[in-house]
Parts: sequence; C-alpha cells; structure tokens
Amino acid sequence: ETGVTQTPRHLVMGMTNKKSLKCEQHLGHNAMYWYKQSAKKPLELMFVYNFKEQTENNSVPSRFSPECPNSSHLFLHLHTLQPEDSALYLCASSQVGGGTNEKLFFGSGTQLSVL
Amino acid sequence: AQRVTQPEKLLSVFKGAPVELKCNYSYSGSPELFWYVQYSRQRLQLLLRHISRESIKGFTADLNKGETSFHLKKPFAQEEDSAMYYCAGGDYKLSFGAGTTVTVRA
Repeated sequence: ETGVTQTPRHLVMGMTNKKSLKCEQHLGHNAMYWYKQSAKKPLELMFVYNFKEQTENNSVPSRFSPECPNSSHLFLHLHTLQPEDSALYLCASSQVGGGTNEKLFFGSGTQLSVL
Repeated sequence: AQRVTQPEKLLSVFKGAPVELKCNYSYSGSPELFWYVQYSRQRLQLLLRHISRESIKGFTADLNKGETSFHLKKPFAQEEDSAMYYCAGGDYKLSFGAGTTVTVRA
C-alpha cells in the first residue's frame, strides 16, 4: 500500500493500559510527525522526527513516548493515559522535514478512547 | 506565539454561490501558508499553498500581508466541495487553524 498507513484505526484502552500506535509511510520521506486532533480544538503538533532524530517535542506529557526506528516507521507508545487524551491521532510525513513549506501527507488516523 | 485563526466553524452555501473561508495569521517573518481539506471518510490532504499561486478544484487563496490573511475562495460552490477545511501556516513551525466545516446545499 502506498501513502501513510496507521494502525489500529480504533483503540479503546483503560487508564492503566499500555498500548502503541503505529505509522508507516511508503513515500520515501525523511520526516514523520504525530498530531493530535481533539474535538473543537485545532490540530496540535506533538512530535517531529527528521532522519530518525526527534527535532520537535511540543511540550507533550511523558505518558506519550514516540519512537522512530527508521525513516519509514513511527510509533507512539501510550501508558497511564487520561480520559482527556481521547482524540484522533494523526501521523504525517514529508519529504525532508523541519521546514514549514513542505507538503504533509497524512494517514487516516487512530481514534483513541481512554476509559 | 504564532497562530492561525479560522473565525468560522460552520459555513453553509447553496450550490453555485460563491464561498469564502477566512483565515488570519499572527506571526512575523515570511509566512508559509496552506489550505488542507478533509472530505467525508477521507484523510486530510493538501488543497493548495500560497507559494504555488495555483488554483485547485476552482479554489484560490491570496496572501494579503497587510491584513495578515489567506482567505480561500471559490466563485461557484459545488456539492462535492462539502468538507472540513483547515488553514495552516508558520514561519518555523506549522500551526493549524481550528477548521471550517463547509456544507454546500443543492
């Protein structure tokens, strides 16, 4: 499959659970991003990885832990989340990363519900 | 802090009528501005960006530095234009507006 793929599409977890979101891109891009989309709020940038190195952490709580083993894969490890963390988590990629003039390619997102 | 504002959460127009989605930015430096669109059951995708000065699906957007705006316009709306539209921009970090839901009625 081409483009940006996210799994799972839906996730329900308790506050004590540990889960991971996965993102994979088949576009040959070097930058990957995690965004959070909550109801009634703008898209919030969480993390940016450029050539596997984290270049942006937008004051995200430590209960969210990103991992980027290579330029094609990005994970978001979740533990001891709160109900207010329920949101749509979007992964995106871009050619080079770091600049604001690049086109972002988005995945379909993981709809997370924290009970 | 750099910020992108979309004042309208909902916009409803009739087919064939003009549509304009407002976007204002508030940061210094040379702005890089975009419009992204999300159609029903599809992923968020780029519609157009100001550096390209292009028209996509009949939409255009002009950067007005004096008014710090980047409004999206289409002279004749179509039903397939119904979607969620996000303005995005930044000088060193991309920020998204809250989005405007457009409904085009027959």
